[in-house]
Amino acid sequence: RKEVEQDPGPFNVPEGATVAFNCTYSNSASQSFFWYRQDCRKEPKLLMSVYSSGNEDGRFTAQLNRASQYISLLIRDSKLSDSATYLCVVNRPGNTPLVFGKGTRLSVIA
Amino acid sequence: NAGVTQTPKFQVLKTGQSMTLQCAQDMNHEYMSWYRQDPGMGLRLIHYSVGAGITDQGEVPNGYNVSRSTTEDFPLRLLSAAPSQTSVYFCASSTEGQVEAFFGQGTRLTVV
Repeated sequence: RKEVEQDPGPFNVPEGATVAFNCTYSNSASQSFFWYRQDCRKEPKLLMSVYSSGNEDGRFTAQLNRASQYISLLIRDSKLSDSATYLCVVNRPGNTPLVFGKGTRLSVIA
Repeated sequence: NAGVTQTPKFQVLKTGQSMTLQCAQDMNHEYMSWYRQDPGMGLRLIHYSVGAGITDQGEVPNGYNVSRSTTEDFPLRLLSAAPSQTSVYFCASSTEGQVEAFFGQGTRLTVV
């Protein structure tokens, strides 16, 4: 089983739609979880951290289910500018770099 | 703020040539990493460093060397370029605890 697994998509949704991405991770000792966004031909950038209690940032909501080792990202009222690849990211215990999923591609269509 | 700076942005090499990809950060981060990104493969870790003088191998280290003589710099050396090393290379840095990784703009390398 890969450390971080995501549905690669693409998800093609109309403007204004709500879309959800899921991610599973295999290391039960992981403590930190993130969603990164990567635009075409650009570097990844942090979108939001994911907390156990769930957290919201405007139109974006992230959820964590430790028991199922599952992370989600919900985008409401999709905008054209949301078109990007969304990377699920998890830490490993100890002094090792973050582990990145392969990403889920989203295209928001007018 | 400069953040993480990678040079060059684009490079074409011939098979067998060597070169160094430069990475510098001005955020005093202890952690630095090199990734390569290929279509359908996501970001794969090549080498990383948890501080000056300390480096370790990642998932795909073969054909690459690194060193970390200062906190700021983490160059990646391709010893003898091969077409399989055609990729986009990203350097990243983060604080201890790795709350957030900051990436450079990437180097697009083509080996012919």
